Amino acid sequence: AQKITQTQPGMFVQEKEAVTLDCTYDTSDQSYGLFWYKQPSSGEMIFLIYQGSYDEQNATEGRYSLNFQKARKSANLVISASQLGDSAMYFCAMREGSGANSKLTFGKGITLSVRP
Amino acid sequence: GAVVSQHPSRVICKSGTSVKIECRSLDFQATTMFWYRQFPKQSLMLMATSNEGSKATYEQGVEKDKFLINHASLTLSTLTVTSAHPEDSSFYICSASSEQGVWYGYTFGSGTRLTVV
Repeated sequence: AQKITQTQPGMFVQEKEAVTLDCTYDTSDQSYGLFWYKQPSSGEMIFLIYQGSYDEQNATEGRYSLNFQKARKSANLVISASQLGDSAMYFCAMREGSGANSKLTFGKGITLSVRP
Repeated sequence: GAVVSQHPSRVICKSGTSVKIECRSLDFQATTMFWYRQFPKQSLMLMATSNEGSKATYEQGVEKDKFLINHASLTLSTLTVTSAHPEDSSFYICSASSEQGVWYGYTFGSGTRLTVV
């Protein structure tokens, strides 16, 4: 079974509107972390937001928030007030365990296009 | 914040030659380095994990003799693609993590686009 599932092949959003990018995960670990990264066409991986499995509050970072529903094993990214520069590929990733040397497992990614 | 410098950003090499990619952690000690490969429009595939001073652990299906990883110091890790062939053309990206001091998460290099002709 896939550990990280991103099923939306491509998303379109109008500039200034909000958009939700879906991510579900599968793990039997109690301690894990969920990440979202943005990858523009230049290829760099830009860290957006992190949610720990024990965090009770949903993570927020500026225009990014993570809708963490632990029982449903979902960690959707919400981008508010979309900007043209948000057009990129977005990856959800999970770290199982708490060690700094734990590897990340990535989803397939979602392409987001912001329309002017 | 933590920064990882990856070089070169682009390289074109002839089939049969070897190419070395470097990743340096500039302001922290990278106890663990991850190396990924990414094909266009696809996800990152983990190739190997290396801890400083130890042999790298390769993922299933990755040829360790072809993709040589060295992590001799806490600030430098290298990936050497030996006897490169056109099918090795891809985007390679490193990611560093540290068990020392503040955990910055996973810091990625900017990636290397390898083209083998």
